[in-house]
Amino acid sequence: GDSVTQMEGPVTLSEEAFLTINCTYTATGYPSLFWYVQYPGEGLQLLLKATKADDKGSNKGFEATYRKETTSFHLEKGSVQVSDSAVYFCALKGNAGKSTFGDGTTLTVKP
Amino acid sequence: DTEVTQTPKHLVMGMTNKKSLKCEQHMGHRAMYWYKQKAKKPPELMFVYSYEKLSINESVPSRFSPECPNSSLLNLHLHALQPEDSALYLCASSRGLADTDTQYFGPGTRLTVL
Repeated sequence: GDSVTQMEGPVTLSEEAFLTINCTYTATGYPSLFWYVQYPGEGLQLLLKATKADDKGSNKGFEATYRKETTSFHLEKGSVQVSDSAVYFCALKGNAGKSTFGDGTTLTVKP
Repeated sequence: DTEVTQTPKHLVMGMTNKKSLKCEQHMGHRAMYWYKQKAKKPPELMFVYSYEKLSINESVPSRFSPECPNSSLLNLHLHALQPEDSALYLCASSRGLADTDTQYFGPGTRLTVL
């Protein structure tokens, strides 16, 4: 079946540091890939998505590129802020509506 | 507008109670979902509705009973729950079931079963 493996956390960075959260996947067919962010006590918010190979999703300074050859969708941001502290989930979605999520990576950014 | 609303925000219930969770969206989406999320874990899919018909039931115990009365509304009826059912229950919707159809999540209902 489909699976998503995320870099284990927690990750602690200083403000303005570079962020990478690794995500690799196993899937049948050609899924779409997503990054969601969850702040404490809230639901999941879509951060970015990519629907086919070599697509780059971007939003609020975050980027991720759909790499079919390495089955990866790593999340990057050039300069993190304290407000980026949250849990980040990588997910894939196949047809029929089923999404598969990674275990989540907790990011803490210190001033 | 990409808003999915859920009520109540918090719910405390005993094991003999009957309660319902409500989810609403006005984006014209035809697919709606219920997820269960335990602390520090990813969401787990429970049910998927497409065009108001149940499409996927992930072997969820019968004490959870979903209902989709119309295309904008999704309910989850709860009866005889166990303390281990305490979790954050998330609703989501998407335009359809295709892989390219983004799921939009509500803020969740925090359920505590005593």
